[in-house]
Amino acid sequence: QKEVEQDPGPLSVPEGAIVSLNCTYSNSAFQYFMWYRQYSRKGPELLMYTYSSGNKEDGRFTAQVDKSSKYISLFIRDSQPSDSATYLCAMRSNSGNEKLTFGTGTRLTIIP
Amino acid sequence: DADVTQTPRNRITKTGKRIMLECSQTKGHDRMYWYRQDPGLGLRLIYYSFDVKDINKGEISDGYSVSRQAQAKFSLSLESAIPNQTALYFCATSDQVNTGELFFGEGSRLTVL
Repeated sequence: QKEVEQDPGPLSVPEGAIVSLNCTYSNSAFQYFMWYRQYSRKGPELLMYTYSSGNKEDGRFTAQVDKSSKYISLFIRDSQPSDSATYLCAMRSNSGNEKLTFGTGTRLTIIP
Repeated sequence: DADVTQTPRNRITKTGKRIMLECSQTKGHDRMYWYRQDPGLGLRLIYYSFDVKDINKGEISDGYSVSRQAQAKFSLSLESAIPNQTALYFCATSDQVNTGELFFGEGSRLTVL
């Protein structure tokens, strides 16, 4: 079993819809949770990060962490065609030298 | 100019050839990483370096070697390329703040025939 599981999609939704992207994990030591966005032929870029449990909102994006269920989500409101990309979850423990463990990524297409 | 620059961006080579992928960064970060990305497998860590004198194996280091020539330069070598090393390779950097955010280059697409 992988340490981080992410549905690869692909996921296609109409413009304006609410998008929900999710990851589950098995390592209870994970404390930092991130979402990276990767456009085609580009490197991933950090979109949002959350420390421990709770919600974090940034514009149309909301990151949610439920440590009791080992489940994290990224919600995109009022989705736009420019949101079409692959979204990767990533997480690590609290140790300063720990590396990130990535999910496999979900490919998202927003249909105009 | 990009903060993390990878060369070459695309390379086609033959089985058994030696290949070097180069990475340079202008972010002033001490930590540098090499990942490969494959469909369905995501990003997997090959090697990482926390400073010029530090080299560490990642989860899939077999068949690869690295050199940290300076704080800003980190090269990945395939001594004898094989077809299953065909992948998209990313260099990344990070500093030591709590998030450990990675800053990625644009990738090097390698095809081994």
